[in-house]
Amino acid sequence: NAGVTQTPKFQVLKTGQSMTLQCAQDMNHNSMYWYRQDPGMGLRLIYYSASEGTTDKGEVPNGYNVSRLNKREFSLRLESAAPSQTSVYFCASRITDTQYFGPGTRLTVL
Amino acid sequence: GNSVTQMEGPVTLSEEAFLTINCTYTATGYPSLFWYVQYPGEGLQLLLKATKADDKGSNKGFEATYRKETTSFHLEKGSVQVSDSAVYFCAPTASGGSNYKLTFGKGTLLTVNP
Repeated sequence: NAGVTQTPKFQVLKTGQSMTLQCAQDMNHNSMYWYRQDPGMGLRLIYYSASEGTTDKGEVPNGYNVSRLNKREFSLRLESAAPSQTSVYFCASRITDTQYFGPGTRLTVL
Repeated sequence: GNSVTQMEGPVTLSEEAFLTINCTYTATGYPSLFWYVQYPGEGLQLLLKATKADDKGSNKGFEATYRKETTSFHLEKGSVQVSDSAVYFCAPTASGGSNYKLTFGKGTLLTVNP
């Protein structure tokens, strides 16, 4: 049982490049979330998916898109990366009131 | 929406010292309250929770009591260990519904020295 997995662990992009962060969970959870963590800011919600086929904006959605590919997978796409998107990105899934987090992706945009 | 004010860090303690990390919140309705912990290089994991007023959550020697009258959920531990060094996040959430979004505090870095 791997829990929540994220790929890649680290990524460096140049301004304007695009990339997709992958997230998968093997716990059969309906709800999944994408957060970003910045120093002194805590975690902020980017997008979430209450169930397969649905997605909704969180607190900081600008510059991002998401896809809930199936129940297991929830990807986050940066179409044109900007230095302000340098951050650590966490994916989470939820059962009842508890969220389970992946290990994170550290993204640097130059 | 919800908001959280968490004790500013960093907090540095010696092993076996008493720990308190303050957390107050504003929320509509009756939120559930959570403490998550992030060990170095890892994602967050649930430490403890309380779902209604006067409930006490506890885990690994940590405790926090849901105080509705003061809108607080302070984290305490009687005797910290080096292995407790981590970042601690307080987070209320709205009860019910299918979204269960969390509002995280900014986090408090705890360092415990031997």
